[in-house]
Amino acid sequence: GAGVSQSPSNKVTEKGKDVELRCDPISGHTALYWYRQSLGQGLEFLIYFQGNSAPDKSGLPSDRFSAERTGGSVSTLTIQRTQQEDSAVYLCASSLGAGGGETQYFGPGTRLLVL
Amino acid sequence: GQSLEQPSEVTAVEGAIVQINCTYQTSGFYGLSWYQQHDGGAPTFLSYNALDGLEETGRFSSFLSRSDSYGYLLLQELQMKDSASYFCAVCRMDTGRRALTFGSGTRLQVQP
Repeated sequence: GAGVSQSPSNKVTEKGKDVELRCDPISGHTALYWYRQSLGQGLEFLIYFQGNSAPDKSGLPSDRFSAERTGGSVSTLTIQRTQQEDSAVYLCASSLGAGGGETQYFGPGTRLLVL
Repeated sequence: GQSLEQPSEVTAVEGAIVQINCTYQTSGFYGLSWYQQHDGGAPTFLSYNALDGLEETGRFSSFLSRSDSYGYLLLQELQMKDSASYFCAVCRMDTGRRALTFGSGTRLQVQP
């Protein structure tokens, strides 16, 4: 595709339910990132995948959060037993090379609201 | 750990020049990136400095001083459409991997 896509664009859920957020990176990009952004705040790093290496999960805020990347392409971020403080925009980004200084291309985000 | 400091808000008038500063503290520093984000939109890449000095891209320029752990984004001939949040991001090498840490962002408001 032309860019990074994410689905759903908006998600409203009840406290305690599980949610899955999907990210389709740009074809050929080996690095994939998940960030969280609360209203008016900066980007909070969550997790980073690079090729076939073990992911960097250092940013995941709790064990309710997990992510996987299948076949080196599509990634799913799962939040179990959602809490109201999980409400935020979840952004996915991909980059061609080994991340960091490489340009990151962001998707439009998934706006999650936990009631 | 890492820390980045940038002003939370800046206001300027159309046609003016504005400078957004970013100071950082980190180990394994590799480079400094800048991203722009309009309200409700996704961040988009503006520039990257790995070496000291000024990088110019049209109306936008970015500067880095590694010895001072300092950089800035310079926006010239401001336009209303430049109203957005601007994030500096430190690229660092951590345990053999590159990692990107974003600042909290500077909200730029361009007034007529």
